[in-house]
Amino acid sequence: EDQVTQSPEALRLQEGESSSLNCSYTVSGLRGLFWYRQDPGKGPEFLFTLYSAGEEKEKERLKATLTKKESFLHITAPKPEDSATYLCAVQARSGGYQKVTFGIGTKLQVIP
Amino acid sequence: DADVTQTPRNRITKTGKRIMLECSQTKGHDRMYWYRQDPGLGLQLIYYSFDVKDINKGEISDGYSVSRQAQAKFSLSLESAIPNQTALYFCATSSREGWGPQHFGDGTRLSIL
Repeated sequence: EDQVTQSPEALRLQEGESSSLNCSYTVSGLRGLFWYRQDPGKGPEFLFTLYSAGEEKEKERLKATLTKKESFLHITAPKPEDSATYLCAVQARSGGYQKVTFGIGTKLQVIP
Repeated sequence: DADVTQTPRNRITKTGKRIMLECSQTKGHDRMYWYRQDPGLGLQLIYYSFDVKDINKGEISDGYSVSRQAQAKFSLSLESAIPNQTALYFCATSSREGWGPQHFGDGTRLSIL
């Protein structure tokens, strides 16, 4: 069974205090790993897609990396507006068809 | 205007009622999805459709049905609502190239009393 585990469940940072969120996965036939941001009362908003180990993507203060077992979302010098829940999702091929499995998310709070 | 629009945004109803949640999109995507989100659980796939004539069950389809009325419209129905279907429901779309990235609506908060 495909599994996606995100840690920590919640993270509180001071403004400017860099940190990383983790997404570990156990799937067969990885086809892609996605990061989303979800604000309260909103649907998830796409951030990044990573396809293979060693790949990195950057957007403003966010950088996503991928290994064969996990992905990290690095947040450099965060600002209060980065506060949100960050979701990881894995697309994998299983039994001849593809599916996407979402993690529970990491709730990030950035304090001014 | 939002690319993926869900209606209603909030709904409170009683056990046993039939409920329809609607989703429309202007992104021109072929693929559409329905998820539910519960506290402490990841998004769970209810149904998905890769085109108007293609409907597939997801991991938690029992108690739900869908209709793909057009490329841009995908509705989710609860035939006889029960309290454990109280959740946040999301519609999403993706392009033909794959399951992701997916573009989500802002959700329908459904409460069943």
